[in-house]
Amino acid sequence: GNSVTQMEGPVTLSEEAFLTINCTYTATGYPSLFWYVQYPGEGLQLLLKATKADDKGSNKGFEATYRKETTSFHLEKGSVQVSDSAVYFCALKSGGKLIFGQGTTLQVKP
Amino acid sequence: DTEVTQTPKHLVMGMTNKKSLKCEQHMGHRAMYWYKQKAKKPPELMFVYSYEKLSINESVPSRFSPECPNSSLLNLHLHALQPEDSALYLCASSQGAGLDQPQHFGDGTRLSIL
Repeated sequence: GNSVTQMEGPVTLSEEAFLTINCTYTATGYPSLFWYVQYPGEGLQLLLKATKADDKGSNKGFEATYRKETTSFHLEKGSVQVSDSAVYFCALKSGGKLIFGQGTTLQVKP
Repeated sequence: DTEVTQTPKHLVMGMTNKKSLKCEQHMGHRAMYWYKQKAKKPPELMFVYSYEKLSINESVPSRFSPECPNSSLLNLHLHALQPEDSALYLCASSQGAGLDQPQHFGDGTRLSIL
């Protein structure tokens, strides 16, 4: 079946550090891939998406590239800020459903 | 600011009460969703409505009853809930149910069952 695996957190970084959150997936067919972010006390916000192989999604300094050969969609940011502290969910869409990874908590310290 | 509005933000109810959660969107989206999220876990899909018709029910207990009165509104009627139903209930919408259509989430209703 379809599934998403994210690196376990929490991830703790200092401000301006480089961020990578790993995400790999298992799917039949060609799913669309998404990253969502959830700030404390809020719902999920779409961060970026990619709909086909080699697509790069980007938003607010975050990037992720749809790699079919490695079935990965790793999230990166060159310089994190304290305000980026949140839970990040990788997800794929298949059959009308969003399938989420377990989430990775990011804490950025000043 | 979210474009999907959920009310109430918080709800405390007893196991014998009947209450409803409401969700509204004015983006012209034709697919709407209910999710349940427990602390430190990803959202779990409960129901999907597409063009105001129920298209997916993820084997949710009958004490949860969804309703889609029109294309902008989605309700979740609650009756005889159990303590384990305490969670954050999230509503989402998307333009359609297609693969590349992202879902837009509300901020949720935090439900506590006494």
